[in-house]
Amino acid sequence: DTAVSQTPKYLVTQMGNDKSIKCEQNLGHDTMYWYKQDSKKFLKIMFSYNNKELIINETVPNRFSPKSPDKAHLNLHINSLELGDSAVYFCASSQDRAGGDEKLFFGSGTQLSVL
Amino acid sequence: KQEVTQIPAALSVPEGENLVLNCSFTDSAIYNLQWFRQDPGKGLTSLLLIQSSQREQTSGRLNASLDKSSGRSTLYIAASQPGDSATYLCAVRGYQKVTFGTGTKLQVIP
Repeated sequence: DTAVSQTPKYLVTQMGNDKSIKCEQNLGHDTMYWYKQDSKKFLKIMFSYNNKELIINETVPNRFSPKSPDKAHLNLHINSLELGDSAVYFCASSQDRAGGDEKLFFGSGTQLSVL
Repeated sequence: KQEVTQIPAALSVPEGENLVLNCSFTDSAIYNLQWFRQDPGKGLTSLLLIQSSQREQTSGRLNASLDKSSGRSTLYIAASQPGDSATYLCAVRGYQKVTFGTGTKLQVIP
């Protein structure tokens, strides 16, 4: 069973469209994240949710709206897609507990291409 | 603001060589540091995690060390193999946030 799964794996779309990426984790973790990896392979956090509540929003344009229906799911909706949104988007999760092993587990990524 | 840098950006070595990858961070107030590998077109695979109270962790041919006071971590790979070819990323966990390094792209030549 895949621990962190995200769909779709590839997403090709036109500028101006609205699209969503879904993420689910079956690890029982409390915290989920969205990261963006640009063409230079640099990974930057976009959002972090803990128990369905937003705890980090890293100056991401408000065209990006995360939604967490429950703590096992964190979806990313993007409105009015722009060329610069083309990147690989990674979902991740961790179990945050003081002094504990807080490994990050990653999904396999969604490669978004905006034409 | 935490900044994480990895040197070198790329490294090419012959098979069998031992090698060291470096990770430096600017804010020593961290909870842990995690090393990942990323294969082309794939997600990130966790290799080792070192808690802030630890000095090193070992897994097979991999050994990671942490010197929190100087803001440095190293990943030592012994007897490198072509299958080790990948991009290696370090990630530093601070309060509520994980910051990734710039990555080192490793190529092991048969």
